[in-house]
Amino acid sequence: GAGVSQSPSNKVTEKGKDVELRCDPISGHTALYWYRQSLGQGLEFLIYFQGNSAPDKSGLPSDRFSAERTGGSVSTLTIQRTQQEDSAVYLCASSPRTSYGYTFGSGTRLTVV
Amino acid sequence: EDQVTQSPEALRLQEGESSSLNCSYTVSGLRGLFWYRQDPGKGPEFLFTLYSAGEEKEKERLKATLTKKESFLHITAPKPEDSATYLCAVEGGGATNKLIFGTGTLLAVQP
Repeated sequence: GAGVSQSPSNKVTEKGKDVELRCDPISGHTALYWYRQSLGQGLEFLIYFQGNSAPDKSGLPSDRFSAERTGGSVSTLTIQRTQQEDSAVYLCASSPRTSYGYTFGSGTRLTVV
Repeated sequence: EDQVTQSPEALRLQEGESSSLNCSYTVSGLRGLFWYRQDPGKGPEFLFTLYSAGEEKEKERLKATLTKKESFLHITAPKPEDSATYLCAVEGGGATNKLIFGTGTLLAVQP
């Protein structure tokens, strides 16, 4: 597609449930990033995939968070045993190379009740 | 530790009233400084990348400049459609290619 696609756009889940967030990057973009944006806070880096290299997971806040990227394209961010503090907008971005402007998706707004 | 501070947090302008937004940064080995625009309910939209001190880039009513410690986003004769949150981010020289974002400046342009 022409842009980065994220689904679902909104997700309401009960505390303790697992959720999966999906990101479809721009075709041909080798770099893929996940960020989290909480109300009143800046974007927080979560994880970075570059081609076939091992991902940079240094931003994942706990072992309840994991992500994978299949076939160098679609990525899934999984949050296990969700907590209320996980409520935020989760943004995915892709880029054709490093040190280049990312293209962001519209995000998934996650609400944990 | 890499850090980005944006000021002011919020700015209200009259249509046609030019102003500047500030982004101060601390980073080890700047690879790039990025400006984004974010509208409510949407992801950030890329505006500019600056790579070295003295560099300037322009797009319509926006002009971004860079020094060794800060960047400015100048808005000339703004229109109401320029209202948005403007985000600044830096990519440092570490092993990772992540961007460190500031918390943004919320700009409101009144007709």
